[in-house]
Amino acid sequence: AQKVTQAQTEISVVEKEDVTLDCVYETRDTTYYLFWYKQPPSGELVFLIRRNSFDEQNEISGRYSWNFQKSTSSFNFTITASQVVDSAVYFCALSEMRTGNQFYFGTGTSLTVIP
Amino acid sequence: GAGVSQTPSNKVTEKGKYVELRCDPISGHTALYWYRQSLGQGPEFLIYFQGTGAADDSGLPNDRFFAVRPEGSVSTLKIQRTERGDSAVYLCASSLTNSGLGSEQYFGPGTRLTVT
Repeated sequence: AQKVTQAQTEISVVEKEDVTLDCVYETRDTTYYLFWYKQPPSGELVFLIRRNSFDEQNEISGRYSWNFQKSTSSFNFTITASQVVDSAVYFCALSEMRTGNQFYFGTGTSLTVIP
Repeated sequence: GAGVSQTPSNKVTEKGKYVELRCDPISGHTALYWYRQSLGQGPEFLIYFQGTGAADDSGLPNDRFFAVRPEGSVSTLKIQRTERGDSAVYLCASSLTNSGLGSEQYFGPGTRLTVT
C-alpha cells in the first residue's frame, strides 16, 4: 500500500496564482516526520520543510506555507503568488519511527507555472 | 560548502554487465542513503549506512545489488548482471545526525543508468 499519496499528477497555473499541492499519508506510528522536497528540471532534490507528528502548527516561509492536519492525515503545501521559477516536481515524504531512516516518497506533483 | 556528489552522471551499459555508481556525501555526514527513481515516480529506498555498516538494506531488490562504504565516507553501489529493468536514476543522500528519524536528507544530482 502506498504510504504517501499525491493525487495530483500535474498542475498548471498562471503566474501569480496561488496553488495548493495535496499530500495524504498513512502510518500506524505515533511518531513520524513529514517532508516536502522540490525537484527542478535540473534533477536535484531540494529540501523544503520538515514537520514532526507532534507539531501541528502551520508554517509559513515567504510565499510557501504548509498545512498539517493529523485528523485527515494530510500535509498540504501552498505556493502564494506563483512564479515561473516554482515550476518543478514536488515530492511529499514520510519517515516513521518503526522503519527509521528510510523515506517513503509520494509519486510527485509536476507543477508548471505559465508566464 | 560542497553538497553530495555522484559519479558518473550518466552510465550506459549493456545487459549483463557489471556497474559501479559512486557517492561522495557531505563532509561530516555519518548517514548515507541510496534511492532509485524511475521515470514519473518518487525515489524508492534501497539501503542506508550509518558509518561503515549497512544499517538497513531492506530496499535492495535482489542479490544483484550490493553497496559498500568501507571508510564511512564514500559509498559505491554495485549492480551485477544488469537488466533493462535496472534503468533508472540512482540517487544518493546524506544526513548529519545519528538517529536518522527526522533528519533531513540532502540529495545528490543522481546517476542516470541506462541498460541496453
